[in-house]
Amino acid sequence: SYVLTQPPSVSVPPGNTARLTCGGDNIEDKTVHWYQQRPGQAPVLVIYSDTDRPSGIPERFSGSNSGNTATLTISRVEAGDEADYYCQVWDPTTDPRDPHVLFGGGTKLTVL
Amino acid sequence: EVRLVESGGAVIQPGGSLRLSCEGSGFTFGDYTMHWVRQAPGKGLEWVSLINWDAVKTYYADSVKGRFTTSRDNNKNSLFLQMNSLRTEDTALYYCVKDRRELYYGSGSSFNVWGQGTLVTVSS
Repeated sequence: SYVLTQPPSVSVPPGNTARLTCGGDNIEDKTVHWYQQRPGQAPVLVIYSDTDRPSGIPERFSGSNSGNTATLTISRVEAGDEADYYCQVWDPTTDPRDPHVLFGGGTKLTVL
Repeated sequence: EVRLVESGGAVIQPGGSLRLSCEGSGFTFGDYTMHWVRQAPGKGLEWVSLINWDAVKTYYADSVKGRFTTSRDNNKNSLFLQMNSLRTEDTALYYCVKDRRELYYGSGSSFNVWGQGTLVTVSS
């Protein structure tokens, strides 16, 4: 079955750029979505369809998807960006008649 | 305001059954595929199931297939998850989640509205 791989943790100083990766075999052929989950809260969609931002999400959040890696980039990182981030794809590859939704294991972003 | 409110979580013994409910408001419930996503304590997100807008199609994670059943009542803007033969590994916060696109499920399925979750604890 398809697997999404995210680094467990990433740390960046405030004001810097955070690049959170999501690895998968030929992931560029899939549509990737990203979620932010702050402690004690429900997840929030921050990027959908690889690169699109829902209304209300700051322009500092952007996404890309190429080769075997999708990336969520957070520019000018703020203390409020400290959270867990999850990538997600739709996976029909195992059995197209029985599709699944897959999440990566998540990356904890720490703002130093 | 678009909102999802789950209920029904409880402490239950292994082998037991439980039914979760979710009520949606602020959107045309019957136009959207709905999902259940769970999160075990201190762990990541795990997709559980989906039901399309008119309840014709349902899909399940392998970990719950044959034990869980998802259904909906569009007249009551409600989503349900019937959980049978519960195991300790089913212990989690269960989120009711709305698909972003109406009348759709597939590669573009992303989740733009989440409830606050209802806690299921399976323990003897």
